[in-house]
This record gives sequence, C-alpha cells and structure tokens, in this order.
Amino acid sequence: EAGVAQSPRYKIIEKRQSVAFWCNPISGHATLYWYQQILGQGPKLLIQFQNNGVVDDSQLPKDRFSAERLKGVDSTLKIQPAKLEDSAVYLCASSRRGGNQPQHFGDGTRLSIL
Amino acid sequence: DQQVKQNSPSLSVQEGRISILNCDYTNSMFDYFLWYKKYPAEGPTFLISISSIKDKNEDGRFTVFLNKSAKHLSLHIVPSQPGDSAVYFCAAVYSGGGADGLTFGKGTHLIIQP
Repeated sequence: EAGVAQSPRYKIIEKRQSVAFWCNPISGHATLYWYQQILGQGPKLLIQFQNNGVVDDSQLPKDRFSAERLKGVDSTLKIQPAKLEDSAVYLCASSRRGGNQPQHFGDGTRLSIL
Repeated sequence: DQQVKQNSPSLSVQEGRISILNCDYTNSMFDYFLWYKKYPAEGPTFLISISSIKDKNEDGRFTVFLNKSAKHLSLHIVPSQPGDSAVYFCAAVYSGGGADGLTFGKGTHLIIQP
C-alpha cells in the first residue's frame, strides 16, 4: 500500500511571504492530521480532519495558518504571512477511522524562513 | 506543560544487548500509547502500540510495557541491531473522544554501537 505523500520536500521563503503544503493520505484513511515539528521537539498537532470536516484545530494559529480538505482526500496547509518561528518540518499523517488506530506519517516538508 | 516526557535525549547501547527507552506521562486520560522510530529526513514510522487495558505488548524484537499507576511506559529492543539507530518518539492519546491527535515526547536518540 502506498504511504502518505507530501510535497514539496523542502521550501525556503522569506518572512511575510506565503507558502502552501500538500498531502495525499493513504487510500481509505478517513482521518488526516497536520503536525508541526520544530527542531529538537516532538511533532505537535495543528489540525485534524475526519473526511472533509475539522475535528480539532485548537492548536492552529488561525491568524496565519489555514488548512482544507475539500473532497475528503487530499489536504493543503497554508501559512500567510510566514514568521521566522514557523521554520519547522510540517508532517501529514493519516489513519483509519475507529479507536486505537495508529497514525502513519509522510516524510514531511522542511520549511526554512529567511 | 509537557504531558509526555522522554527524559533521556540520547542512549548508547552495544549491538546485541537490550535497549530500554523510557517515557513518562502526566495526563491520566491517556489510554493509548505508541512508539515511533524516525530516521533523518524521513517521517516517523509506527513501531508498536499498547492500550491502557494491557500492561505488555510484544512484536518480534520490540516489547512495550505500561505501568499505569506510575504513568510510565518503556520500549525494550532485544537484541539491538545497527539498523535500530534512530530517534524514538513516545506518543499518547485519549481515544475516547473524536479528537485523537497524538501528544509526543521530545524523543530519545538511540545509538547502537558495533
């Protein structure tokens, strides 16, 4: 089975610019997550989708971050405008619906803000 | 406030010996625990999990132990192999609600020495 696909792998932008990341989850996985991993830390949840609905976005900085999953499959995460502290790896994960299902991660997008 | 703690940033073990990675949590609502392994420039890979109704789960060379009263879990790898050198993340979640984003520790860098 194909894994979680993310693009781009790397992105370098200047502060105050905008950037978007794309994620394609494992086929059949109804739940999709975006995490932010800052260097030296564990991943931190930004947002969780169940099909195309938002389940949890309590840790998403909504003044600059937005995410969507319009058709319940692919998802995009956008940052506008970017700040220096947004430099991180952005990880997408997906899981099957139901209790106690492990999340499977993509390789992430490494974002550097200059 | 770190709800999942991995107090050893790094651990060095000789090839063939047992590796023991530790994790503590503070949120008594957590009922599902996972270990992930991460190589550089790759996303976290699911390794093994345990539900709070169990105290042990085994999968090949990997065993996870859960001590609920101490809010402590550990991952045992026996025997340790060079390919086990990676960063290991402990993660926890309360699976009883709709929101099931993982809470991660900061990770432990395991180094297997020949």
